[in-house]
Amino acid sequence: EADIYQTPRYLVIGTGKKITLECSQTMGHDKMYWYQQDPGMELHLIHYSYGVNSTEKGDLSSESTVSRIRTEHFPLTLESARPSHTSQYLCASSDYGAGGSKDTQYFGPGTRLTVL
Amino acid sequence: QKEVEQNSGPLSVPEGAIASLNCTYSDRGSQSFFWYRQYSGKSPELIMSIYSNGDKEDGRFTAQLNKASQYVSLLIRDSQPSDSATYLCAVIGIKAAGNKLTFGGGTRVLVKP
Repeated sequence: EADIYQTPRYLVIGTGKKITLECSQTMGHDKMYWYQQDPGMELHLIHYSYGVNSTEKGDLSSESTVSRIRTEHFPLTLESARPSHTSQYLCASSDYGAGGSKDTQYFGPGTRLTVL
Repeated sequence: QKEVEQNSGPLSVPEGAIASLNCTYSDRGSQSFFWYRQYSGKSPELIMSIYSNGDKEDGRFTAQLNKASQYVSLLIRDSQPSDSATYLCAVIGIKAAGNKLTFGGGTRVLVKP
């Protein structure tokens, strides 16, 4: 089972501020993911990474950006937060490989972002 | 047609009964299937993974996979109030880059004492 951490857990911030949501995992997983989920709604993939220096946009368009300089770290940045960015942001990771337990995604606890 | 479909519920079951959840998927080449449980305001946690046709049991949970019919189901035996949550079906399609999971919309389960 993966150990995956997200900070902060809760963030309330004003419009126009730059924010970075942190995600770290200690299992050496190659692949990492960011999802966005509004209360009671579906999960939407916004970014993913195959490994260091690899980032891809997900299925849902997002104004956020990500970076992957270290295997264990996958931060998400919003340059100028807006109320429409208010949501829960979930980070996940999985090991590389087709089939078997290696492609299981494990989720962090999430960051609940509120932009006023 | 959505790639992964679930009945949104709520599925209301009495305590001690069996809850039966269904999920259908459109990518016939899908190989990996997962059930996650998500409590309100929390992140999804893995319950079961299944890769081959048939049944897979883990405690009170049984996952069933039928690739020919393109469905995967989850049975929860002896349902408890603590099982009240949203259950997400997730699939890795054969065309999924980066082993991306495609999630269904989730089925909300309510277990009544």
